[in-house]
Amino acid sequence: DSGVTQTPKHLITATGQRVTLRCSPRSGDLSVYWYQQSLDQGLQFLIQYYNGEERAKGNILERFSAQQFPDLHSELNLSSLELGDSALYFCASSVSTASYEQYFGPGTRLTVT
Amino acid sequence: GESVGLHLPTLSVQEGDNSIINCAYSNSASDYFIWYKQESGKGPQFIIDIRSNMDKRQGQRVTVLLNKTVKHLSLQIAATQPGDSAVYFCAEYSPSTGTASKLTFGTGTRLQVTL
Repeated sequence: DSGVTQTPKHLITATGQRVTLRCSPRSGDLSVYWYQQSLDQGLQFLIQYYNGEERAKGNILERFSAQQFPDLHSELNLSSLELGDSALYFCASSVSTASYEQYFGPGTRLTVT
Repeated sequence: GESVGLHLPTLSVQEGDNSIINCAYSNSASDYFIWYKQESGKGPQFIIDIRSNMDKRQGQRVTVLLNKTVKHLSLQIAATQPGDSAVYFCAEYSPSTGTASKLTFGTGTRLQVTL
């Protein structure tokens, strides 16, 4: 168990809808990262937050947004969902803003129908 | 969630044999190279890292080799066990603007341990 929790575990929704994925980092970790793992793209970095502030952006679509709250939990919002958004979404955390040793949660499997 | 649906190269190894998983990287400026293990239904798990100025690092039953000349990274697992069955990802770490970190993952290799 990495100490990172993600909810929900599974999510099934229709195209055009909006969903929110939630992540709680390990105790003491200030950085939260979001990744998307799909069949054809592998594990892709989406965005990073550190202590409430956005620190780095990867291949995140404009339809997607995220935030980190004062209690350090983070939410990833996906809107106007398309079939191609079906994937596993992982959250990871680390102590500092510059760390490659990241602790991953169990992921949320999103299925868009 | 699991990665079983990913279209990945597969390495099949008998229990007790040594495994070698290879990875080619692209960014010569990466500071660190890391191996992650992803078991079915779980998120990736950090295994071992190597700094770019090293060519070998050993851990418990694992060794990582770095060949910067040909931009090649390998993970060797000694005495492979059934619990080693997983997808293995190499990743490059390149700090961006000195204040944020970015991990770039490779495509992954599925290791199947046969009895």
